[in-house]
Amino acid sequence: GNSVTQMEGPVTLSEEAFLTINCTYTATGYPSLFWYVQYPGEGLQLLLKATKADDKGSNKGFEATYRKETTSFHLEKGSVQVSDSAVYFCALSDPGDTGRRALTFGSGTRLQVQP
Amino acid sequence: NAGVMQNPRHLVRRRGQEARLRCSPMKGHSHVYWYRQLPEEGLKFMVYLQKENIIDESGMPKERFSAEFPKEGPSILRIQQVVRGDSAAYFCASSQAGGQGNEKLFFGSGTQLSVL
Repeated sequence: GNSVTQMEGPVTLSEEAFLTINCTYTATGYPSLFWYVQYPGEGLQLLLKATKADDKGSNKGFEATYRKETTSFHLEKGSVQVSDSAVYFCALSDPGDTGRRALTFGSGTRLQVQP
Repeated sequence: NAGVMQNPRHLVRRRGQEARLRCSPMKGHSHVYWYRQLPEEGLKFMVYLQKENIIDESGMPKERFSAEFPKEGPSILRIQQVVRGDSAAYFCASSQAGGQGNEKLFFGSGTQLSVL
């Protein structure tokens, strides 16, 4: 079955530090890959996505590249801000799994950015 | 345009009681998904509904859990005879069309269910 594995948190960084949150996946088909962010007290918001190998998703300074050879979709940002403090979820959608039409999520990684 | 609305935000129930969680999708959205997040775990798919139809309930426990999305009104996730293991955050999401591969999902803020 499909699965997503994320690095455990919390990840604590100082402002302007470089961020990497690792995400690897297992899927039976050719999935689309997503990063969602959850700010305190809010629902999940789509941060970025990639639908095929070598695609790079980007938004708000965050980037992630779909690496089929390593089955990875690591999230990166060159310079984090305090406002980036949130929980980040990696997820996949397997178009071959049409019966379920569901996203498979990782367990989330909490990011804390200190001033 | 209001986002996905879930209520209540927090729900406390004693063992054996019933819990009803409500989700109003975004305006114009006819597809609703329910997810459950247990402590320290990721979101797990429960059920996918369109208006008046359950499309996929493969993630729903076989007993005590049910969901509906009537023609009028919000989607309801109902848990009968709650047990402590049901304590979790329940998230609802909606989309304009089905098939989540390239459709944008909009999530609500969730309902935190606590069973005493």
